[in-house]
Amino acid sequence: DAMVIQNPRYQVTQFGKPVTLSCSQTLNHNVMYWYQQKSSQAPKLLFHYYDKDFNNEADTPDNFQSRRPNTSFCFLDIRSPGLGDAAMYLCATSFGRTNQPQHFGDGTRLSIL
Amino acid sequence: DAKTTQPPSMDCAEGRAANLPCNHSTISGNEYVYWYRQIHSQGPQYIIHGLKNNETNEMASLIITEDRKSSTLILPHATLRDTAVYYCIYYNYSGGGADGLTFGKGTHLIIQP
Repeated sequence: DAMVIQNPRYQVTQFGKPVTLSCSQTLNHNVMYWYQQKSSQAPKLLFHYYDKDFNNEADTPDNFQSRRPNTSFCFLDIRSPGLGDAAMYLCATSFGRTNQPQHFGDGTRLSIL
Repeated sequence: DAKTTQPPSMDCAEGRAANLPCNHSTISGNEYVYWYRQIHSQGPQYIIHGLKNNETNEMASLIITEDRKSSTLILPHATLRDTAVYYCIYYNYSGGGADGLTFGKGTHLIIQP
């Protein structure tokens, strides 16, 4: 029944080694979001795709990139992970230009060695 | 999204009603109030939203004051599984755009057996 699916749930990578996190959805929502949540903090928006249009938050580091090859999938790429990038990464979806709620996946917890 | 004020933590006895307050004094007339919760190690879960009328669904009730400057989320019969961080957020996306959610610190609700 999961509608926003994130794989894997846990990811370990080495300092400086590129890593990709994935998100898929079965809701056919046109907007997909990526949030970062560090330990004991609230989620923080990194960027979102409105259809094929990429929208970056002003304070999102250049180290973070995203790809959306089709409606159902979205990827988060971290080009050179640092120790400060260890966090839970949450994917969410919604219908744009409505007040319908966002639907979240259960996140990928990223650890950096 | 703009700021809300919530108590950092609350306790409630199992089986009793949990009433979670939220102040949103700068809300504008067309912005909806949303409540999400986040159970440990899971993604945020949508609970309920409303504009100015009180709302009820299978999870909770939402009471919005007449001046819309505050609201209360009510979990009518709290269970141990309701232990989570509860976030109150307000926004209006129907005018255009699809900005992500701005989470505050939320209220950590602990249900006591």
